[in-house]
Amino acid sequence: SSKLTQDPAVSVALGQTVTITCQGDSLRSYYASWYQQKPGQAPLLVIYGRNNRPSGIPDRFSGSNSGNTASLTITGAQAEDEADYYCNSRDSSGSLFGGGTKMTVL
Amino acid sequence: QVQLQQWGAGLLKPSETLSLTCAVYGGSFSGYYWSWIRQPPGKGLEWIGEINHSGGTKYNPSLKSRVTISVDTSKNQFSLNLKSVTAADTAVYYCARGVFGVVFIPYYYYDMDVWGQGTTVTVSS
Repeated sequence: SSKLTQDPAVSVALGQTVTITCQGDSLRSYYASWYQQKPGQAPLLVIYGRNNRPSGIPDRFSGSNSGNTASLTITGAQAEDEADYYCNSRDSSGSLFGGGTKMTVL
Repeated sequence: QVQLQQWGAGLLKPSETLSLTCAVYGGSFSGYYWSWIRQPPGKGLEWIGEINHSGGTKYNPSLKSRVTISVDTSKNQFSLNLKSVTAADTAVYYCARGVFGVVFIPYYYYDMDVWGQGTTVTVSS
C-alpha cells in the first residue's frame, strides 16, 4: 500500500515562516489534509482540499500540493502553534497518515 | 454543531476483543464516512478503517483480519471490534467523520473534520 513521508521534526523562530512537507504517490490523486495535535488532545483539522481552512483556523495556516508533495505553511508562527502535524491522504485501501512532524517554536 | 462521543472498555487482557462505539450528535449520519483511528503511546496516528451509512467498509490492510466496523443508523452510531488484542494494540482510539470532495477532476480530497474525544485502551495481563 501507499505511504506518506514527513520529516520527524522542524523548528521555527517565533514570528517566522515554516513549511512542513509530506510526500507520497497517493498525493497525485488526493490532496492532503493536515491535522494539528497538541499533547493530550484529539487531532484538529487545519487544512483540507486545495487550500481550505475550517472555521476558526487562523489564516497564517496555508496548504499547497504539487505532484507527489503536499506542504503546510505557517506564516508568522506563534507559540500556540507548537504541536505535532500530520498529513493524510487516501489510496485504494482507504485512508493513510504520514508519520507526523513535531514542530517546535523557539 | 456535530459532536462525536465515544465509549468502550479501557482495559483488556491479551486475546480479548476490543469494542468501542461512537455516537453522532447534532448532524446527519448519511453522506459521510465514519472512521476509527488509533495512536499508540508516543507514536503517530494510524487509520484503522471506515464505514459509510450504507454499511460499506474499508480496512487498513495491516489490521484487516482482526477488524470489524459496523453501523447502527437508527441510533446514529458506529462501532469498532478488534479481536485477539495484544499489548501492541494499546493506544488511544479515536472516531472521526470523513468527508470527500472534488478539487477539480481528477483530483479529490478527503478530510476528517470532526473527532471524538478519544478512548485510552490498555492491553495487559
